[in-house]
Amino acid sequence: GESVGLHLPTLSVQEGDNSIINCAYSNSASDYFIWYKQESGKGPQFIIDIRSNMDKRQGQRVTVLLNKTVKHLSLQIAATQPGDSAVYFCAAGYRSNDYKLSFGAGTTVTVRA
Amino acid sequence: EPEVTQTPSHQVTQMGQEVILRCVPISNHLYFYWYRQILGQKVEFLVSFYNNEISEKSEIFDDQFSVERPDGSNFTLKIRSTKLEDSAMYFCASSALQETQYFGPGTRLLVL
Repeated sequence: GESVGLHLPTLSVQEGDNSIINCAYSNSASDYFIWYKQESGKGPQFIIDIRSNMDKRQGQRVTVLLNKTVKHLSLQIAATQPGDSAVYFCAAGYRSNDYKLSFGAGTTVTVRA
Repeated sequence: EPEVTQTPSHQVTQMGQEVILRCVPISNHLYFYWYRQILGQKVEFLVSFYNNEISEKSEIFDDQFSVERPDGSNFTLKIRSTKLEDSAMYFCASSALQETQYFGPGTRLLVL
């Protein structure tokens, strides 16, 4: 099976600064990784994903980095805004099990004004 | 923008009762999933569904659970005889190509 863990349960960041959230996974067969944002009372909202044949992918204000050697991925949020305050989950999956996702525990990001 | 919807948003039931949680996946998606999240814990995979059959299920998804796609739009999760430990948020998700899964807002189930 897959075990996914986040390095820090909480992160406090000043508005305008960059945020980095780290995540580790255990199964070297995992070939698909995804970051979700969850606001209070809502379902996980897709942010960005990356396949194992890439080591970096950029979206709007977000970048995901994948290091398969150490089984680590990170989410970088540029110029963090108050609306970025939420719980962030990383999840991993692989093709041979229908990409069922194994989630990490979540990092709560709080943006200070 | 199309989204996954779920009903009800909240459900309170007595232990031993049956509940049906409903989901309407994004219309052109082919893969459907149920996850649950016990308060304060990780999101956990329950079951995946494709081509009108279960393709993968977790050890949580025992004989008390079943899924169905009764028509072209709905996807349901039934818990036959609820237990206290079934209290959780239940999320439905769907995907077009088996990768990016889009989640619904969830149903908060409370078993008393």
